[in-house]
Order: sequence, then C-alpha cells, then structure tokens
Amino acid sequence: GAGVSQSPSNKVTEKGKDVELRCDPISGHTALYWYRQSLGQGLEFLIYFQGNSAPDKSGLPSDRFSAERTGGSVSTLTIQRTQQEDSAVYLCASSFGRLSSYNEQFFGPGTRLTVL
Amino acid sequence: TQLLEQSPQFLSIQEGENLTVYCNSSSVFSSLQWYRQEPGEGPVLLVTVVTGGEVKKLKRLTFQFGDARKDSSLHITAAQTGDTGLYLCAGANYGGSQGNLIFGKGTKLSVKP
Repeated sequence: GAGVSQSPSNKVTEKGKDVELRCDPISGHTALYWYRQSLGQGLEFLIYFQGNSAPDKSGLPSDRFSAERTGGSVSTLTIQRTQQEDSAVYLCASSFGRLSSYNEQFFGPGTRLTVL
Repeated sequence: TQLLEQSPQFLSIQEGENLTVYCNSSSVFSSLQWYRQEPGEGPVLLVTVVTGGEVKKLKRLTFQFGDARKDSSLHITAAQTGDTGLYLCAGANYGGSQGNLIFGKGTKLSVKP
C-alpha cells in the first residue's frame, strides 16, 4: 500500500504477557517513529530510527519497552510483561529523511492495545 | 523538558461560529505543526509554520506562529460539521540526533449542525 500500515489494529492481552506491534513504513522512508497516545490525549514520543544511525530511545518509558528496525524498513515494538497502564494506541510514523520543516511525518492508523 | 500547552481541551460550538485554539510553550521551537486526527486514524498534517510571525491560510483555517516561535494559534472561520475532530499542535527542533515531535494534548472540537 501507499501509506504506513500497522498490525494488528487491535490487541487485547492479559497483564504480564509480552506483545509485539508491527509497523510497515512508506517505501523509501529512512526515518521511522513510534508514539503512544492515551485516551483523548496527545502523542508521547517513544523511539526514533533514522537510517543506519543509533536509534533515539529517549522516550521509552521503561526497560520493558524495546524496538528494532530490520533492514531499514519494518519495525517491531515489543512490550514485555505488559501492565494495565500500557493500554493505549501505539502509532507509527515515517518520513523521507530526518526531521525537518519539509519532511512530513506520515502516520499509520495505530494499534489499540488493551491490557486486562 | 519542552512542553506544549494546548487550550481549550474541549470545544463544542454551533455550525457557522468562529473558534481559536491556542498552543503555548516557554521554549522556542524550530517549527510548529498542526494536525487533525479522526477516530481510529493517525494524525494528518494540516500545516507547518517555520518563521516567527508567519501566518498561513488553508481555506477557512488560519494558522499563526508567534514572533518568538514559542506559541501558535489555529483559527477556524464559520465552522462546519466536517471540522469535527481532534486538533493537535506539535513542536519540532531540528539538528542533532533528536528526531521527535513534541505534541500538545489536543483540542477535541465538536461542531453541531
């Protein structure tokens, strides 16, 4: 497809289980971002990948959160030992090149995670 | 830590009314962006303002960047029901390894017929 895709669209899990969320960025986009959006709130930055540079992990809330980007394309966000406060919509975005005034971030539809 | 305060958080108006949403910070940003988000979808970029004092118009929407590049506003003239949605402002700083946008908490706009 032409846009950013994310899977699954919805994920319900039990507290303590691990989850993996997938993001397929727009082809050719070198930058990829993960954000978290709690109900009715703004977006909270999690992690940023740019080309072959070391990722900016400054937004990850705890060591239970990790992400990787294989081959400069698909990215997986992993949350280990999920907690109820992890419930949120996880949004992925990609852009053609690093953040700048002319590199728009295109967002996927998000994965809604519910931890019971 | 840079923060963006967005107000109001909720806004319910009648079709045809005008409204303004504000986005304020104590920090300077390289640019300010405004997004609109529909339920079940990701945010979609409306505009990017870069220069202090800049004003951009998109049909009935007017965006302004403060002279000091710390604040921005979104004004909608003669709101329509199709304007209903979540409006988000986001600040960006360029350069270095930092690549993230800093988002306000959003303004949930409801335009009633």
